[in-house]
Amino acid sequence: NAGVTQTPKFQVLKTGQSMTLQCAQDMNHNSMYWYRQDPGMGLRLIYYSASEGTTDKGEVPNGYNVSRLNKREFSLRLESAAPSQTSVYFCASTRDSPRYNEQFFGPGTRLTVL
Amino acid sequence: SQQGEEDPQALSIQEGENATMNCSYKTSINNLQWYRQNSGRGLVHLILIRSNEREKHSGRLRVTLDTSKKSSSLLITASRAADTASYFCATDRGTQGAQKLVFGQGTRLTINP
Repeated sequence: NAGVTQTPKFQVLKTGQSMTLQCAQDMNHNSMYWYRQDPGMGLRLIYYSASEGTTDKGEVPNGYNVSRLNKREFSLRLESAAPSQTSVYFCASTRDSPRYNEQFFGPGTRLTVL
Repeated sequence: SQQGEEDPQALSIQEGENATMNCSYKTSINNLQWYRQNSGRGLVHLILIRSNEREKHSGRLRVTLDTSKKSSSLLITASRAADTASYFCATDRGTQGAQKLVFGQGTRLTINP
């Protein structure tokens, strides 16, 4: 099992450019998440998906959109990147049934917006 | 906003010593989790403690939870150089649906050989 995979690992964008971060998990998990981590900070939830076909906003959703393509894949899109979106982005997944389960994290995408 | 506040922000100890990290939170929770992050890597789950539990052990890890004080502590005994990492607490307030974790800012632990 690969667990949670993310692509790309690194990306540099110019202000106003768009891009999509890809995430996939092979653990048959129901719930998937996107977080961002700024230097010296903990993770903040951007969006999450409780199941295939559903998505909901987290703590910091502005400037982002998501798509739960199928049970395995959950993508994060920046339509018009801004320097404030420079961060490390992590995707995670969990079973959620029962509720008391750990989240499994991908290796992260380091994004710089110039 | 960050739910958890971690203390200390940084901790440096000698190999073999015990390391204690603390986490405080603001609202009632369903469960609290601790994660480790090695530099430049994703987070790895260490231990989960439910709101009705007071203490939990896993190998060299001991976690306590005091819901009356809204605080938790993580103790790593007999530390090793490989324990050098950042440690985060995360709280889950929900009771149904997706688990939505709120993370603290983390404690950066350095184990000196």
